[in-house]
Amino acid sequence: NAGVTQTPKFRILKIGQSMTLQCTQDMNHNYMYWYRQDPGMGLKLIYYSVGAGITDKGEVPNGYNVSRSTTEDFPLRLELAAPSQTSVYFCASSPLARWPPNTPGELFFGEGSRLTVL
Amino acid sequence: DQQVKQNSPSLSVQEGRISILNCDYTNSMFDYFLWYKKYPAEGPTFLISISSIKDKNEDGRFTVFLNKSAKHLSLHIVPSQPGDSAVYFCAAPSAGATNKLIFGTGTLLAVQP
Repeated sequence: NAGVTQTPKFRILKIGQSMTLQCTQDMNHNYMYWYRQDPGMGLKLIYYSVGAGITDKGEVPNGYNVSRSTTEDFPLRLELAAPSQTSVYFCASSPLARWPPNTPGELFFGEGSRLTVL
Repeated sequence: DQQVKQNSPSLSVQEGRISILNCDYTNSMFDYFLWYKKYPAEGPTFLISISSIKDKNEDGRFTVFLNKSAKHLSLHIVPSQPGDSAVYFCAAPSAGATNKLIFGTGTLLAVQP
C-alpha cells in the first residue's frame, strides 16, 4: 500500500526560486493537508482541501499556493522561496470521520520533504 | 493564539514505568481530540483519539483521559517501552473550522532501558 507519497524528499533552493512539492494519495480520501514543522514549533497547517476543486487557508498560508484538481493529488507551490520557508513539509490525507459529522478522521501522513532555502 | 498547548517539551521515564503526556486546550467547543506519534525522519502516525462525550478511551497500553472542566487531556502509556521513544502531538479540530486539524507543539518522550 503506497498511502501518501511526497516528492522530493530533500531539496535545496536559492532565495527567489520557485518549486512545487508533490503529494499524491491512493486511498480515495476526501481531505488533504499540508503542514510544516519547524524545530520546537510543532506542526503548522499551511493549506487544506476537503475535496477536488476546494481549497482553504490554514494557519500559515503566506508564500504558498495549492490546487486540488483531482482527489489524489494536492501539490504545494512556493513561488518566491525565502529563508523563512526552510522547514520540513508534511502532506496528509484523511477520510471523513464517522463522528463528529463533517470532520476529518485519522490523518495519514507522508514521510516529509525537507526544504532548505539559502 | 495557540488553541492546543503542550507545555512540556520533553519527558524522560524508565522502561516499565508509566509515561504521562499532557495537553491543554482553549476552546470548550472542541468535539474530539487525537494523539499522534512521530519518529525522526518519518511522518506522524495516528495513535488514539477521544470524543468529547467520553472521559476515557483505552487501546492496549495507551489510554487517553479527557477532563472537560479543566480543558485538559492526557495520554498514559503503561508500561513504557524503549520503542515508545518519540515525539507525541495532541491535535483537535480548529474552533469554528472543524475541517482544520490543529496540532500542539509536541512532547519528546525518552524511555530509558
